[in-house]
Amino acid sequence: DSGVTQTPKHLITATGQRVTLRCSPRSGDLSVYWYQQSLDQGLQFLIQYYNGEERAKGNILERFSAQQFPDLHSELNLSSLELGDSALYFCASSVVPDSNQPQHFGDGTRLSIL
Amino acid sequence: GENVEQHPSTLSVQEGDSAVIKCTYSDSASNYFPWYKQELGKRPQLIIDIRSNVGEKKDQRIAVTLNKTAKHFSLHITETQPEDSAVYFCAASLSNGNQFYFGTGTSLTVIP
Repeated sequence: DSGVTQTPKHLITATGQRVTLRCSPRSGDLSVYWYQQSLDQGLQFLIQYYNGEERAKGNILERFSAQQFPDLHSELNLSSLELGDSALYFCASSVVPDSNQPQHFGDGTRLSIL
Repeated sequence: GENVEQHPSTLSVQEGDSAVIKCTYSDSASNYFPWYKQELGKRPQLIIDIRSNVGEKKDQRIAVTLNKTAKHFSLHITETQPEDSAVYFCAASLSNGNQFYFGTGTSLTVIP
């Protein structure tokens, strides 16, 4: 158990819909990262938050948005869903971004678009 | 930004043999290099990491070496076992630690 909690574990929805994925970081971690992993693909960095503020942005589509709340949990919102959005979405957390500490991953949310 | 290349993409070894996975990075400011193991359908798990002030680090059957001059680092697994079969990802992080730049992964199969 990494201490990073992601909900839900599985999500099945239809094209055009909107979903919200939730992540609670490890106790004491202030930074949250979101990744997308399509079938047999690598880890695509989407976005990072630190202490409630956006810190870095990767290949995140305009249809996707995220935020980190005062209690440090984070949500990733995916809208106008397309078939190609089907993937595993991982959240990771670390203590602070400048400390060169490892990121610890949650178990992921598997999103299936029908 | 940083670019991390990882080779090979697939690797098959006999049980008991050694496996080596290599990564190169482009930004000399990168100073933290973690390795993750991901089993099918599971989350990536940190198995070992190295910082730029160290040339080699070992943890039982796993070791990582770093050559800062050549900008490459490698994962070495000795006495491989079937449970080592997984996808392995290398990553590099700049000194500001804003994000990890991941390699494309190596699918390791250990044949019993």
